[in-house]
Amino acid sequence: AQSVTQLGSHVSVSEGALVLLRCNYSSSVPPYLFWYVQYPNQGLQLLLKYTTGATLVKGINGFEAEFKKSETSFHLTKPSAHLSDAAEYFCAVSVPSQGAQKLVFGQGTRLTINP
Amino acid sequence: DTAVSQTPKYLVTQMGNDKSIKCEQNLGHDTMYWYKQDSKKFLKIMFSYNNKELIINETVPNRFSPKSPDKAHLNLHINSLELGDSAVYFCASSPYKVNDPPIRELFFGEGSRLTVL
Repeated sequence: AQSVTQLGSHVSVSEGALVLLRCNYSSSVPPYLFWYVQYPNQGLQLLLKYTTGATLVKGINGFEAEFKKSETSFHLTKPSAHLSDAAEYFCAVSVPSQGAQKLVFGQGTRLTINP
Repeated sequence: DTAVSQTPKYLVTQMGNDKSIKCEQNLGHDTMYWYKQDSKKFLKIMFSYNNKELIINETVPNRFSPKSPDKAHLNLHINSLELGDSAVYFCASSPYKVNDPPIRELFFGEGSRLTVL
């Protein structure tokens, strides 16, 4: 079954440091992959997505992710963390279900930024 | 203009009661979803409707009954509420059409936090 696994339920970095949030997927077909961000008491907002084409995907707020088929990974990075980046981050994959499609989410990674 | 709006945002109720959450999207999308987020932030799909038709029904107790009066609205009614139903319920919509390639994006509402006492 297609799924995603996020490594690390909690990541803490200093302001200005590199942010790296890890996501590995399992899929027998080329996956459509997503990163969403959830700020406290809010809904989920799309950061970026990989469907087809270029494997390095740029998103909002300076985030980017690279689809690596050989490593079955789609890690999220940002060169320099801001205090405002503190949030919960979710990796997701589109999977077939009952003749339709659904997004299946990873367990989430809480990102804390230290001043 | 809020793209996907849910009401109420907060709901506190007693065990055994029946409650409803409403969702509306103004994006013109064909497909809507209900997701449940538990206390550990885990998100799990419950239902999906495409143009008022149920297309995904996950393993959800039949106390949960979704209703889609039109493709812009998807409501969730919960009967005989239990403590374990306490969660944040998210509505989402997508331009996805059945037989399309995989989903390109989901747009989420702000969530409805349900607390069952």
